[in-house]
Amino acid sequence: QSVLTQPPSVSGAPGQRVTISCTGSSSNLGGGYDVNWYQQLPGTAPKLLIYANTNRPSGVPDRFSGSKSGTSASLAITGLQTEDEADYYCQSYDSGLSGSVFGTGTKVTVL
Amino acid sequence: QEQLQQWGAGRLKPSETLSLTCAVYGGSFSAYYWSWVRQSPGQGLEWIGEINYSGSITYNPSLKSRVTMSRDTSENRVFLKLTSVTAADTALYFCARGPRGPGWFFDLWGRGTLVTVSS
Repeated sequence: QSVLTQPPSVSGAPGQRVTISCTGSSSNLGGGYDVNWYQQLPGTAPKLLIYANTNRPSGVPDRFSGSKSGTSASLAITGLQTEDEADYYCQSYDSGLSGSVFGTGTKVTVL
Repeated sequence: QEQLQQWGAGRLKPSETLSLTCAVYGGSFSAYYWSWVRQSPGQGLEWIGEINYSGSITYNPSLKSRVTMSRDTSENRVFLKLTSVTAADTALYFCARGPRGPGWFFDLWGRGTLVTVSS
């Protein structure tokens, strides 16, 4: 039921930079609503990584950065580390749903 | 330290009612929205619904006919009921604080309750 589309997987070697895209529509990202990003390690609850497009909560390394333009958003991880291997989800508000919507999720693999 | 503890029946038969509780410890309860989110095995996250400061509730339209959320402000608890469950409702159910703040994010999560629906 996700209306935010992400690539199923991305991978990179330690130290490299990877990006994850999140594509929405006029009822969510394109409607001016912000995007948030979450990291989910295996067997755990999601953890807020980026909020309001570009902001990092306290404690999140600055290796993680976010951007948004129009109906799309991106999460970048620079200096990839083995502990970054996880699933990542984008999330926004959707006016058609009148509620929150999550992305399809992206598995990051560190080679 | 703020934390969410959640519990409920983990195994149901088709047509039964799912019932979960989420207790908020160490933080303000009435100042926030509270939500339920679920994750089917190997799948992504699905927002179920939210209850706001005044007790108003919004449900995901795909579940609206079967879901009921409520809260007890005296005990800082939020409740989820989902009727007529099927195997498709098998999932890890999370309670979460939010949405809130700039961006309308979820910043505090319970550990999740695995609910399995099987005959």
